[in-house]
Amino acid sequence: QKEVEQDPGPLSVPEGAIVSLNCTYSNSAFQYFMWYRQYSRKGPELLMYTYSSGNKEDGRFTAQVDKSSKYISLFIRDSQPSDSATYLCAMNQSGGSNYKLTFGKGTLLTVNP
Amino acid sequence: GAVVSQHPSRVICKSGTSVKIECRSLDFQATTMFWYRQFPKQSLMLMATSNEGSKATYEQGVEKDKFLINHASLTLSTLTVTSAHPEDSSFYICSAASGGAAYTQYFGPGTRLTVL
Repeated sequence: QKEVEQDPGPLSVPEGAIVSLNCTYSNSAFQYFMWYRQYSRKGPELLMYTYSSGNKEDGRFTAQVDKSSKYISLFIRDSQPSDSATYLCAMNQSGGSNYKLTFGKGTLLTVNP
Repeated sequence: GAVVSQHPSRVICKSGTSVKIECRSLDFQATTMFWYRQFPKQSLMLMATSNEGSKATYEQGVEKDKFLINHASLTLSTLTVTSAHPEDSSFYICSAASGGAAYTQYFGPGTRLTVL
């Protein structure tokens, strides 16, 4: 079993839709949970981060972590064509940036105008 | 957020040659730099972790003699792909961290390597 599982999609939605992206993980030591957005042929950029369980909202984006189920989600409201990208979940055990991140496979999202 | 650059952004080389990729943290000192490889439609796979002034720590299955990493200063790390082969063609991405919280690992824009 891989440490982090993420459905690669592709996921195609109409503009304005609510998008739900998810990851599951097996390592209960993970404490920090991040979502990155990666445009084609570019490096990942941080969208959201959450420590331990709970919700976090930032504009149209909401990140949820359920440590009991080892399940994390990213919701995008009022999706826009500019949201079309690959979304990667990532996790970290120790909480420090000097420690490695474990990534999911990424979900390719297309938002159609 | 902090800025990390990579150079070159794209490189094409012949099989058997060596290629050097630079990763720079432009506005902060990076105590740790990470090198990732990403194949099409795949996630980032960590290749190695390097701390300034020490030898890199390679992930299992990554040949340290083939992928030479040097982290000579707090703003520069280099990855040299030696005797490159077509199967080394990939997207190489670095990230840099200065010891803050887990989410303060900043990524470079990546380097597309094509080995003919």
